[in-house]
Amino acid sequence: GAVVSQHPSRVICKSGTSVKIECRSLDFQATTMFWYRQFPKQSLMLMATSNEGSKATYEQGVEKDKFLINHASLTLSTLTVTSAHPEDSSFYICSAPLAGARWNEQFFGPGTRLTVL
Amino acid sequence: AQSVTQLGSHVSVSEGALVLLRCNYSSSVPPYLFWYVQYPNQGLQLLLKYTSAATLVKGINGFEAEFKKSETSFHLTKPSAHMSDAAEYFCAVSEGFQKLVFGTGTRLLVSP
Repeated sequence: GAVVSQHPSRVICKSGTSVKIECRSLDFQATTMFWYRQFPKQSLMLMATSNEGSKATYEQGVEKDKFLINHASLTLSTLTVTSAHPEDSSFYICSAPLAGARWNEQFFGPGTRLTVL
Repeated sequence: AQSVTQLGSHVSVSEGALVLLRCNYSSSVPPYLFWYVQYPNQGLQLLLKYTSAATLVKGINGFEAEFKKSETSFHLTKPSAHMSDAAEYFCAVSEGFQKLVFGTGTRLLVSP
């Protein structure tokens, strides 16, 4: 099946710094990718839809200037958490649907655990 | 808007016992429904999906789910639990345009 990777798998940073998380589709092209965040023992909440070659679409309540998304190629989307604060600590997961997949099947990355000190 | 309700944040079973994880959905259009499994500190893996074909869907690892429109349900079952089934399970409904709306998850605990 299709594989989606994320890098890094785990990152610890100081409050006020920025962190970039990469999401790659390894064996297929993805014009769209999704970014989710998951707090401990909670469900995944969609943050934004990353669109190749255009601006990302953010869900209500998600700060565009804080969570910068860039989808510069058909296999790579990046999420940058700017001026991170402890409340941004979470598990960030990306997913990508297989183009042409009829049933909206998405392939998920392994996630990135962000800890902000 | 579409939504998913998973009853029971935790379900405990003994090894070899029947597994039943409940999922009810709300949708104004025929939905696509999914069950995902998540192991600690990992991403999600698709167990099975309903896409308006057969109402009884078989997935990986011996799991299956039945779509019941009259009950707006898509419960996940497995006849005999294995220790390796212990994980978090998420039911999800497609909101169209490939967006997924997830339930709050059910943690399955399997005891020897």
